Amino acid sequence: GDSVTQMEGPVTLSEEAFLTINCTYTATGYPSLFWYVQYPGEGLQLLLKATKADDKGSNKGFEATYRKETTSFHLEKGSVQVSDSAVYFCALSRADTGRRALTFGSGTRLQVQP
Amino acid sequence: KAGVTQTPRYLIKTRGQQVTLSCSPISGHRSVSWYQQTPGQGLQFLFEYFSETQRNKGNFPGRFSGRQFSNSRSEMNVSTLELGDSALYLCASSTRGLAGAGDTQYFGPGTRLTVL
Repeated sequence: GDSVTQMEGPVTLSEEAFLTINCTYTATGYPSLFWYVQYPGEGLQLLLKATKADDKGSNKGFEATYRKETTSFHLEKGSVQVSDSAVYFCALSRADTGRRALTFGSGTRLQVQP
Repeated sequence: KAGVTQTPRYLIKTRGQQVTLSCSPISGHRSVSWYQQTPGQGLQFLFEYFSETQRNKGNFPGRFSGRQFSNSRSEMNVSTLELGDSALYLCASSTRGLAGAGDTQYFGPGTRLTVL
């Protein structure tokens, strides 16, 4: 079945450092890919998405490119802030097959120190 | 536009009881999905409702059930609660767009259920 693998956390960075959180997926066909962020005590917020190969999603300085050849969707940000501290989830959906349930990775906790 | 709302936000129950959680989707969204989040199992899909019909179902026992009303609001019910049902239950809504169109789900704040 479909699956998503994320790098283990926590990831601890200093403010203004470069961020990369790796995400790879296993799925046939043409999944849509998402990054969600969860702040303490809250639900999930959509951060960005990409629906086809080579699409780049971007939002609030975060970017991720849908790489079908490497089945990856790595999250990057050039300069992190303390306010970016949260848990980040990579996910895929299979709207192409009619199965719209999101399959999530295990999440990566990011801690940004001042 | 108001986001997805869930009630109640917190709930404490004892083993053997049943519980009903409510979700109101974003206006215009007709699809509602439910997810369970636990530290051990992560985020797992429970079921999806669209036009008052269950369209997809995850791998959960029959104690977990749901329904959707004509105004797209949804409820989730768990009967005969077990300690392992303690979790954050998240509801998400979407327009259920065309396949391949990147159907995006928007989440509510969740209901934190504690089973004692």
